Amino acid sequence: DAGVTQSPTHLIKTRGQQVTLRCSPKSGHDTVSWYQQALGQGPQFIFQYYEEEERQRGNFPDRFSGHQFPNYSSELNVNALLLGDSALYLCASSLLRGHSPLHFGNGTRLTVT
Amino acid sequence: AQSVTQLDSQVPVFEEAPVELRCNYSSSVSVYLFWYVQYPNQGLQLLLKYLSGSTLVKGINGFEAEFNKSQTSFHLRKPSVHISDTAEYFCAHGGATNKLIFGTGTLLAVQP
Repeated sequence: DAGVTQSPTHLIKTRGQQVTLRCSPKSGHDTVSWYQQALGQGPQFIFQYYEEEERQRGNFPDRFSGHQFPNYSSELNVNALLLGDSALYLCASSLLRGHSPLHFGNGTRLTVT
Repeated sequence: AQSVTQLDSQVPVFEEAPVELRCNYSSSVSVYLFWYVQYPNQGLQLLLKYLSGSTLVKGINGFEAEFNKSQTSFHLRKPSVHISDTAEYFCAHGGATNKLIFGTGTLLAVQP
């Protein structure tokens, strides 16, 4: 049973560019959440998708957007990249109910130069 | 707003010694608490969770945690650590919507 898979594993972009990160949830999960983990910090919640809609959003600007597809996979898009967007981006899948533990992928390491 | 405080950024300990990693959370109506471990260049792996019931929760790899409502704490313990336990440990607090608030992490550094 495959867990959460993310692609690519590493990415280098230039300031001002746009990036798309991809995530496939664990089999049986219907909810995908995205987190940003800056170096030396804990993960910060970006947003959560369920039934192809954004259900919750953290304190991130509109440059961060996402999408969920009918097969529950998800994309995270970041426009107009800033140096401060350099981080590990983690995708987590779960069921929607509150006590359903999150299962994390290994993340995408984004470096903005 | 919910918050999680991990009081120690780094905990050095010798192999086979006991360890406690401390975590305090802000009080909330719905209290779901989690400990995750992160090995280098990897995602987060669930160690254990508290949803309700017994305040002593047992997890994987010999870890356990105790939920203390009066002290709003959820400290992680292991009676005897191994070199392979060296990793970053994150405490997290979730509510009804399954959005997790993470602490800043504690690096457990096990020395031979």
